[in-house]
Amino acid sequence: QKEVEQNSGPLSVPEGAIASLNCTYSDRGSQSFFWYRQYSGKSPELIMSIYSNGDKEDGRFTAQLNKASQYVSLLIRDSQPSDSATYLCAVRSYGQNFVFGPGTRLSVLP
Amino acid sequence: ETGVTQTPRHLVMGMTNKKSLKCEQHLGHNAMYWYKQSAKKPLELMFVYSLEERVENNSVPSRFSPECPNSSHLFLHLHTLQPEDSALYLCASSQDLSSGEYQETQYFGPGTRLLVL
Repeated sequence: QKEVEQNSGPLSVPEGAIASLNCTYSDRGSQSFFWYRQYSGKSPELIMSIYSNGDKEDGRFTAQLNKASQYVSLLIRDSQPSDSATYLCAVRSYGQNFVFGPGTRLSVLP
Repeated sequence: ETGVTQTPRHLVMGMTNKKSLKCEQHLGHNAMYWYKQSAKKPLELMFVYSLEERVENNSVPSRFSPECPNSSHLFLHLHTLQPEDSALYLCASSQDLSSGEYQETQYFGPGTRLLVL
């Protein structure tokens, strides 16, 4: 069974610090990797997608992918209280459906 | 606003009621999904429709019945639900390309929060 694992948290960081969120996956054939942010009571919204090994930066967010280690991470620089949310990692293989992790709850303390 | 709308946003129903959830996507996508999200549990994929054909049914009880009349609309018909079915029901859509290109992204609607009494 394909699995995506995340530390459930909560992960607490002070405002202005770097938040590091990690995700591991079991299917070596996985090709597409996504990070979603979900505020309490709201639906998930896409933050980043990454398909190749290495780093991908978008503003304060950096996604990192290491397919050999089956590991994908999300770094949030200069964390703000508004970044407090649950972050979902999602993985997809060719022709397969999305598999979501349980999410990591992030709390940015003012 | 992601281009995926869901109605109603909140629903309270008794175990003997019949109700339907509606999802509409304005993104021109050809695949639509129903997910269930319960408290402190991962998103659970329920149904997948691609080009209006159901391609996946993840062992969902028959009291949940999906319908996809066209590529823009998706329904989830509910009947004789149980209290444990109370959850956030999310609709999503994506563009699955026949070329096999995997760089598609899934967009979610705002969800319907369902309470079964």
